[in-house]
Amino acid sequence: EAEVAQSPRYKITEKSQAVAFWCDPISGHATLYWYRQILGQGPELLVQFQDESVVDDSQLPKDRFSAERLKGVDSTLKIQPAELGDSAMYLCASSLSGANSPLHFGNGTRLTVT
Amino acid sequence: DAKTTQPNSMESNEEEPVHLPCNHSTISGTDYIHWYRQLPSQGPEYVIHGLTSNVNNRMASLAIAEDRKSSTLILHRATLRDAAVYYCILRDRGNKLVFGAGTILRVKS
Repeated sequence: EAEVAQSPRYKITEKSQAVAFWCDPISGHATLYWYRQILGQGPELLVQFQDESVVDDSQLPKDRFSAERLKGVDSTLKIQPAELGDSAMYLCASSLSGANSPLHFGNGTRLTVT
Repeated sequence: DAKTTQPNSMESNEEEPVHLPCNHSTISGTDYIHWYRQLPSQGPEYVIHGLTSNVNNRMASLAIAEDRKSSTLILHRATLRDAAVYYCILRDRGNKLVFGAGTILRVKS
């Protein structure tokens, strides 16, 4: 079964440094999501793409976070500068278009900011 | 976003059925009820979804109350591999999936 690929699996960075995460969705999935999950909590949506366009970034801290999906396929989420509170799991998901298409999640990137 | 209420945790014995409850008293007519689960160190995994009628698939069954203000996810025979956090989510037409804290399911052998 096709999977959502994410890299790196783990990332340790010092505060004030820049960090980037990469996601390759399932082929043919037009909708791509980035979620952040703090330990012990449910995932929180950061940004949603439909093809290359952002359709929801209301919860994205835009002063330090940016996301792009230039060709409507893979996507990059960047944090600059990283802060201690950004330590979390960053999850990417993709789905077919359609109101109830299931989301397929990758296994995430675990970020630790020191 | 309409909210759901789930117990913080539940425990089950292996090979026995598990009924995971979810309350959603403010559900709107267009909200679908979705269930996802998250195994340790993995991303969430889709389980099942429904609108009004009960639904079955290879993983679980979803029983929806007639007034749609509550639902129950049924695992017919729990295994150790079913130990996970189970999320009950109302999904609106905007496609947005908003996760709560979920229910931690522990399965005893």
